[in-house]
Amino acid sequence: AQSVTQLGSHVSVSEGALVLLRCNYSSSVPPYLFWYVQYPNQGLQLLLKYTTGATLVKGINGFEAEFKKSETSFHLTKPSAHMSDAAEYFCAVSEALRSNDYKLSFGAGTTVTVRA
Amino acid sequence: ETGVTQTPRHLVMGMTNKKSLKCEQHLGHNAMYWYKQSAKKPLELMFVYSLEERVENNSVPSRFSPECPNSSHLFLHLHTLQPEDSALYLCASSQEISRGRGAFEQFFGPGTRLTVL
Repeated sequence: AQSVTQLGSHVSVSEGALVLLRCNYSSSVPPYLFWYVQYPNQGLQLLLKYTTGATLVKGINGFEAEFKKSETSFHLTKPSAHMSDAAEYFCAVSEALRSNDYKLSFGAGTTVTVRA
Repeated sequence: ETGVTQTPRHLVMGMTNKKSLKCEQHLGHNAMYWYKQSAKKPLELMFVYSLEERVENNSVPSRFSPECPNSSHLFLHLHTLQPEDSALYLCASSQEISRGRGAFEQFFGPGTRLTVL
């Protein structure tokens, strides 16, 4: 079974500083990986996903993530934080339910606060 | 309406009440999900419906009863809940989950904030 570990439940950055959110996964097969963001009082929204091909994936709002198979990681970065990036971020991996069905397994989430 | 909608957005109920949460997706998807989101805990998958057939019941207590009458609608019927059931309940949908090895993203509704007194 797959699992996802997000290192750090809370990250605080200054506006304009680098945002780095760490995600490690365990998977017995090549994974499909996702990052979602949740703003207050809203559902989750997809930031980006890795399926196949280029290991550096670009998403919305200036975020990107790099799939590193050797490190079983899929860390999320943004070069310059904006106040609007304050939210909770979830890493997820696709996991088989049964022979042909799949579901997402989510990490515990990382809350990002941005200091002015 | 676009995307995934959920009603009500907030619900307060007593332990002896019966209520239902409703989810509707306007995206033409074939799979729908119920999640429970509690503070400081990972998102918990409760139920999955694919092509209107339940394919996952993640050891959820029987006081939660899902219903999927068609591919656009999903309900969660609640009865005799406990205070620890207070949480944000999220509905999501995606394209058919038996294809693409799970590469399809899930689209989430805004959730129903449930408080059990």
